[in-house]
Amino acid sequence: DIQMTQSPSSLSASVGDRVTITCRASQSINTFLNWFQQRPGKAPKVLIYGASSLQSGVPSRFSGSGSGTDFTLTISSLQPEDFATYYCQQSYSLPWTFGQGTKVEIK
Amino acid sequence: QLQLQESGPGLVRPSETLSLICTVSGASISSSSYYWGWMRQPPGRGLEWIGNMYHSERTYYNPSLKSRVTISVDSSKNQFSLRLSSVTAADTAVYYCAHLYYDILTGYKYFQHWGQGTLVTVSS
Repeated sequence: DIQMTQSPSSLSASVGDRVTITCRASQSINTFLNWFQQRPGKAPKVLIYGASSLQSGVPSRFSGSGSGTDFTLTISSLQPEDFATYYCQQSYSLPWTFGQGTKVEIK
Repeated sequence: QLQLQESGPGLVRPSETLSLICTVSGASISSSSYYWGWMRQPPGRGLEWIGNMYHSERTYYNPSLKSRVTISVDSSKNQFSLRLSSVTAADTAVYYCAHLYYDILTGYKYFQHWGQGTLVTVSS
């Protein structure tokens, strides 16, 4: 199985901050990497697919980059509704696997 | 607009079979253009992929659950289902069904639409 490791596990930030979350795969996954946002008590919501493609309807302050084993999710200017947990997920090979999550909290 | 809704018992006894249904609206479940999947999330923990179903017949399961899990479709009701046998407390989780979008040109797949999730507790 491909292991997905996110860092940090949690972070505290203020509204307006630039936030970066990293996801590392245990082997190359090309660009078959998706990012999800999950608010408390809600289902996950896809933000980015194919490592850098913004899902329709997702604000442009979200962006993704990377290929191979190292990937990044960036929120350019954190908004109140962005406080949530973020997960990366690889769809390169079965079984599909998720990172452990990064919780973004209010400073 | 495509919507999904999970349903099923909220409490299952150890060693029994967990059975959930996902009702789809806004799309035909038997269409070759649509793929489907199940995920789960233990309380306070991360997400785990359970399995996918393509073209209402091809299924792929997480090897960690493969001997216990079955995903099937009921086209007449526009539903697909999850069965997980011989459950233990470790199977307590919120279970999500989802629509899997497949971009034929790029090969990218991602869970685009999700149900709200349903909590299943395994306890005697």
